[in-house]
Amino acid sequence: DVVMTQSPLSLPVTLGQPASISCTSSQSLVTSDGNTYLTWFQQRPGQSPRRLIYKVSNRDSGVPDRFSGSGSGTDFTLRISRVEAEDVGVYYCMQGTYWPRTFGQGTKLEIK
Amino acid sequence: EVQLLESGGGLVQPGGSLRLSCAASGFTFNKQAMTWARQAPGKGLEWVSSLRGSGDTYYADSVKGRFTISRDNSKNMMFLQMNSLKTEDTAIYYCVKGMTIPDSWGQGTLVTVSS
Repeated sequence: DVVMTQSPLSLPVTLGQPASISCTSSQSLVTSDGNTYLTWFQQRPGQSPRRLIYKVSNRDSGVPDRFSGSGSGTDFTLRISRVEAEDVGVYYCMQGTYWPRTFGQGTKLEIK
Repeated sequence: EVQLLESGGGLVQPGGSLRLSCAASGFTFNKQAMTWARQAPGKGLEWVSSLRGSGDTYYADSVKGRFTISRDNSKNMMFLQMNSLKTEDTAIYYCVKGMTIPDSWGQGTLVTVSS
């Protein structure tokens, strides 16, 4: 199985400051047709997951532009340019290239 | 607007069975791949099973042979038949639209396996 490793697992951030979460896969997520199926989800306390970013860097409709995704191959990053109170929650990366699908362990973002 | 509504969760004894349902609306269901994912209490997300519009199915090793995913395109419904349940199957089960680039998630239904 492809292992997705996130770091850090806990991320205390001051309001208005940037934040960054790393996600590393044990195998390249590039498919034979050149796509990279790396997705980022946000799960706020008590809520279902919500997709933020798909195919590495495509931001979903309604997602604030302070969220951005980057990376390639096996190394990916989710960045928040200026953290707001509503960003508190757990962030997960997920690979959709291989079976079984696998998620990272989750990164808990909290306000310092 | 995409809506996914899970039902069928509850308390069941180890070795028992449950059938989860997902009612979908707001998109063309019969062509859409769908997924079940779960989250044990206080834990992370885990992929369980996916089903293509064509009918191809995929399962996590932890549930293979015990769980069966299916769909009724005439009713825009997806199902998860869970047999031989174990305590480690205790989780919130989510219905998810998509399987390669999942997007919308339902609110989830809680399955508790306990004696």
